Amino acid sequence: GNSVTQMEGPVTLSEEAFLTINCTYTATGYPSLFWYVQYPGEGLQLLLKATKADDKGSNKGFEATYRKETTSFHLEKGSVQVSDSAVYFCALYGNNRLAFGKGNQVVVIP
Amino acid sequence: DAGVIQSPRHEVTEMGQEVTLRCKPISGHDYLFWYRQTMMRGLELLIYFNNNVPIDDSGMPEDRFSAKMPNASFSTLKIQPSEPRDSAVYFCASRGGTRPGELFFGEGSRLTVL
Repeated sequence: GNSVTQMEGPVTLSEEAFLTINCTYTATGYPSLFWYVQYPGEGLQLLLKATKADDKGSNKGFEATYRKETTSFHLEKGSVQVSDSAVYFCALYGNNRLAFGKGNQVVVIP
Repeated sequence: DAGVIQSPRHEVTEMGQEVTLRCKPISGHDYLFWYRQTMMRGLELLIYFNNNVPIDDSGMPEDRFSAKMPNASFSTLKIQPSEPRDSAVYFCASRGGTRPGELFFGEGSRLTVL
């Protein structure tokens, strides 16, 4: 079935550093891909999406490109802020189901 | 516009008690989802409804869990009897029919069963 794999473990980095969170997927057909963000004490909210190969989703300085050849959808931000501290979930929609990865906690230190 | 509204935000109860969690989806959304989040298992889909009808309840852990959606603006998730391993954050989410994959989540109900 469809599934999403995110890199293990939390990510801790300094303010203004470059952030990358890896996400790879397994799917049949042509799924849509998403990144959701969960700030402390809140529910998940959609950060960005891409619906077909080579699409780039972007929002709030974050970007991710749908790479069919490597089955990846890595999240990047060039200069993080303390306010970006949150848990980030990669997700895939296909076969009428939304599958989430396990999430990565990101901690940005001033 | 009001988002997805869940209540209670926090619930502490003793093992064996009945727990009812409530959700009001965004007006006009015809899909409603219940998720459970724990450190060990991450985010799990319990059940989802389309037009108030349960479509897939394969994620409901056992018969102690039940969910209803009596109308388009209200859903409940009930646990009876509750057990300590049910302690988790329970999220309700909704979406419209034209944007699959784009869910709107409530702030969650944190359940602690002692």
